Amino acid sequence: GQQLNQSPQSMFIQEGEDVSMNCTSSSIFNTWLWYKQDPGEGPVLLIALYKAGELTSNGRLTAQFGITRKDSFLNISASIPSDVGIYFCAGTNDYKLSFGAGTTVTVRA
Amino acid sequence: DTGVSQNPRHKITKRGQNVTFRCDPISEHNRLYWYRQTLGQGPEFLTYFQNEAQLEKSRLLSDRFSAERPKGSFSTLEIQRTEQGDSAMYLCASSRLDWSLNNEQFFGPGTRLTVL
Repeated sequence: GQQLNQSPQSMFIQEGEDVSMNCTSSSIFNTWLWYKQDPGEGPVLLIALYKAGELTSNGRLTAQFGITRKDSFLNISASIPSDVGIYFCAGTNDYKLSFGAGTTVTVRA
Repeated sequence: DTGVSQNPRHKITKRGQNVTFRCDPISEHNRLYWYRQTLGQGPEFLTYFQNEAQLEKSRLLSDRFSAERPKGSFSTLEIQRTEQGDSAMYLCASSRLDWSLNNEQFFGPGTRLTVL
């Protein structure tokens, strides 16, 4: 089964807002990855983190590798409509990725 | 650079039939992975190849499942005697064997299997 807990499970965004989500694990990982998945498609890699404490940005996305190596968070700044989708965290110590259940981001009407 | 491709994108079959899916990884990626994803969940690891060698199989991969990567390039995943519980999205991913980047896995679009 999956070891990673993502929160929140779902969230609504308004264009221009900043969005935060996180991921915690009962196990230590030496690599954290964040993916985004659109309906009917495969996950797309957003950010990879390799060092505890590392803060990495990719455009409007920023992710951090927690100091304890058991957590990570993802921030999206100034959200736009195409940010909707499901965001997954994944941790690994070798070749096998363990995924969370995802955070679903939807546009607030 | 083309990404990971998977065929077919959708497959509907009757219970008891055999199905086979194909994955073409990113060229020069020598690692290839299969995952399964059910609704509302993240992908779950099934198996992994380094070149043509299958190095690990998850407990999720029952006797009815078999995967091959005969020449170290494309891979096939076959499910025999399909059951309704096999209905899921089957995802393929690939990565390079590179000690600084070897955990960055790139996924294909998936094959959606529906077993009636």
